[in-house]
Amino acid sequence: AQSVTQLGSHVSVSEGALVLLRCNYSSSVPPYLFWYVQYPNQGLQLLLKYTSAATLVKGINGFEAEFKKSETSFHLTKPSAHMSDAAEYFCAVSDRRGYSTLTFGKGTMLLVSP
Amino acid sequence: DVKVTQSSRYLVKRTGEKVFLECVQDMDHENMFWYRQDPGLGLRLIYFSYDVKMKEKGDIPEGYSVSREKKERFSLILESASTNQTSMYLCASSLPTTGGLNTEAFFGQGTRLTVV
Repeated sequence: AQSVTQLGSHVSVSEGALVLLRCNYSSSVPPYLFWYVQYPNQGLQLLLKYTSAATLVKGINGFEAEFKKSETSFHLTKPSAHMSDAAEYFCAVSDRRGYSTLTFGKGTMLLVSP
Repeated sequence: DVKVTQSSRYLVKRTGEKVFLECVQDMDHENMFWYRQDPGLGLRLIYFSYDVKMKEKGDIPEGYSVSREKKERFSLILESASTNQTSMYLCASSLPTTGGLNTEAFFGQGTRLTVV
């Protein structure tokens, strides 16, 4: 079965510092991978998605992620954190059922300090 | 823009009540989903539907049922609410997969349900 592991339930960075949120997946079929962001009291918004076209995926708000098959990873990065990036981030993998159902990681809360 | 609208942002219900959570999408999407979100557990799939009147169980269907009578509307039903169903519920919709390509899921803003 597909699964997703997000390392670190909380990550703290200073404004202007590099953001790195880690995601490792397990999938018996070529995966489709997604990063979603959730701001307080909001639904989820898609940041970016990997669908096998290119291993380096650029998303919204300056985020990007690199698919590394050998490491089964899809880490999310941003060169310089903004205060507005403070939110919870979820990595997800498409699962075997198809129909665009997703298996989510447990989430990582990004805290940004001035 | 795709819009997924959940009828309530906050609900408080009593144990044993039958509870209906409503979700409407305006983009003619075939697929609709109900997820439950709990701190430290992420999102877990309760049920999904890939067509009108069609439904499939997700990972945690116990205590829930769903209804999809019209393409744009997908309802989650708690047959007899219990305190362990206190949670955030998120509805989502998407186009069908095409050639095996998963499509993006669009989420509503969530309904925070408290069962007392």
